[in-house]
Amino acid sequence: DAGVIQSPRHEVTEMGQEVTLRCKPISGHNSLFWYRQTMMRGLELLIYFNNNVPIDDSGMPEDRFSAKMPNASFSTLKIQPSEPRDSAVYFCASSRTGMNTEAFFGQGTRLTVV
Amino acid sequence: QKEVEQNSGPLSVPEGAIASLNCTYSDRGSQSFFWYRQYSGKSPELIMFIYSNGDKEDGRFTAQLNKASQYVSLLIRDSQPSDSATYLCASLNNNAGNMLTFGGGTRLMVKP
Repeated sequence: DAGVIQSPRHEVTEMGQEVTLRCKPISGHNSLFWYRQTMMRGLELLIYFNNNVPIDDSGMPEDRFSAKMPNASFSTLKIQPSEPRDSAVYFCASSRTGMNTEAFFGQGTRLTVV
Repeated sequence: QKEVEQNSGPLSVPEGAIASLNCTYSDRGSQSFFWYRQYSGKSPELIMFIYSNGDKEDGRFTAQLNKASQYVSLLIRDSQPSDSATYLCASLNNNAGNMLTFGGGTRLMVKP
């Protein structure tokens, strides 16, 4: 398996533009997590899905952020409109449900909003 | 307040010494705990996990869990410069739909 695949790896956009980040989890994994990482706040859980259903989105900072998982092999995180403070590395991770199951991370998307 | 707390560091140890990394958590429903290592500019990768009270050893790494004190630690023996990274502690609550929550990480520097 190729692991968790995220795209794009880097994104530079202007303030006010819409940004869509994409994630393909590992086949067979039924939990998917979106995290945001900054120097100031560390690794923050934004939202996670179990069996394609959003379980907890309390980490989503504002209504400008939305996430979808239309099927078991694809998820998107959208920011509309984007702001400079959204600049961060966004990670997607997936795992199987269970006590001792490892979450595997994608390579991340480095987002810069200017 | 974050549910998983770590000292941000940096923790500086000389090569060959034992590095001790600590983590506390607030969710008593957490069942498993994970230590991830993250090199600068890379994604986190799992070192080991623990779910029973006591110690668990894997090579130079030992994870320790004390559920009564809600405390997890990671010991790295014979620290090497290549161990220099940020170490992330995470708790898993399987009853909350497999929610995995990370601490802020501790930056470890191993000096030759």
